Parts: sequence; structure tokens; C-alpha cells
Amino acid sequence: DIVVTQSPLSLSVIPGEPASISCRSSQSLAYRNVDEYLDWYLQKPGQAPRLLIYLGSNRASGVPDRFSGSGSGTEFTLKITRVEAEDVGVYFCMQTLEIPYTSGQGTKLDI
Amino acid sequence: QVQLQESGPGLVKPSETLSLTCTVSGASLSNYYWSWIRQSPEKRLEWIAYVSNSGATAYNPSLMSRLSISVDTSQNQFSLKLNSVTPTDTAVYFCARGSGYPTPTPFDFWGPGTLVTVSS
Repeated sequence: DIVVTQSPLSLSVIPGEPASISCRSSQSLAYRNVDEYLDWYLQKPGQAPRLLIYLGSNRASGVPDRFSGSGSGTEFTLKITRVEAEDVGVYFCMQTLEIPYTSGQGTKLDI
Repeated sequence: QVQLQESGPGLVKPSETLSLTCTVSGASLSNYYWSWIRQSPEKRLEWIAYVSNSGATAYNPSLMSRLSISVDTSQNQFSLKLNSVTPTDTAVYFCARGSGYPTPTPFDFWGPGTLVTVSS
């Protein structure tokens, strides 16, 4: 299985400040050198995860543009330019290149 | 608006079968893949399996020997059966839609999740 590792596991941010979460995979998530099969989700307490970023860098519908995803191969980053109170929760990255799809441990962001 | 809702017993005895159904509203099952994902108390997300409206399936190899996933297009539902459960199968179980047809991901709509506890 592809192992996915996130860092840090927790993050405390002042509103208006930026935040960054790293995701590493045990093998490249690139497919035909075109798409990176890495998605980002935010899970708020008591809720299901919500898709933020797909294929490494594409924002999902309705996601504010303060969220951005970047990276390639085995190294990926989720960035929030200016954290808002509503951004608190646990962020997961998930590789969907190979079955079984696997996620990171989650990064808890609080204000 | 697409909505998914899991249903099934919240308590299952060890060695018995866990059965869950996901009812989809606001969308047809056609042209999407439909997945089950679970989240244990340790919090990591674990993908279980997917099924398409035509019945194509894929399973997590670690669970495959105990798993069955099916679809009922007449009811706009898909279902999961996990045999011979143990306490390690205790988790919140989510159903989700894979929006990237013809690829099975990413998961753009999720059910709220249902807690299944395996205990005697």
C-alpha cells in the first residue's frame, strides 16, 4: 500500500495568518506525467470530510480561493493564505492513484 | 442537491455480518462510482470499496475476503456487507460519491456517517 504521511499533526494559527500542511507519499502519485492523484479534505467536528482540492491543485466547487494545493511526485502542500475561524478542523490528504486509496493521519488546525 | 444517507444497525456482535445501505437522492447512480469509507477512533480515513451503477467493483485487499458491495439502481441505493466482524471494525462508516468519472475519485459528496460498534 502507498503510505501517506502528513505534517504537522497539529497547527495553531492566528486568524489572518497563513497556514501550510505537508503531505508525503511513499511513491510517486503522478499518472502519465499529467495528473497527480492526491486530494485534500477538511473534516469539521461531527461532520463528514469535505473535498477541498483534487488532483493535487484543483479547487473543488465552492472552495474559497484562499485554499491552494501544490506539489508533484511524492511531495504536496496545502496552503491557506489567510486563515479564518471557519477553517478549523482536521485536514486529510488522500492518494487515489492506487487501490487501496490511503489517507494521511490528519492535521488538526485550530485558532 | 445531492444527498447521501447511510442506514443500518449501530451495534453488531463479533463474528456476525455488518450490513449498511446508502440511499442517494438528488442524483442518479449512473456515471459515477460509489464508495464506502470508514474512520476508526484513530481517525485515519480507510477506503473500503467502490461500485458503479453497472456493477463494476473494487475492494480494499485487506478487507476483500470479508466484503461484498452491491448496487440497486431501482432504489437508488448501494450496500455494503462485511462478514466476520471483530471489535477492530468499530468505526464511523461513510458512503461517498466519486465524481471524476470515468475515474472513481475524488469524493465530492458524502453521507453524514454512521457509527457501527462491534461488541457483544
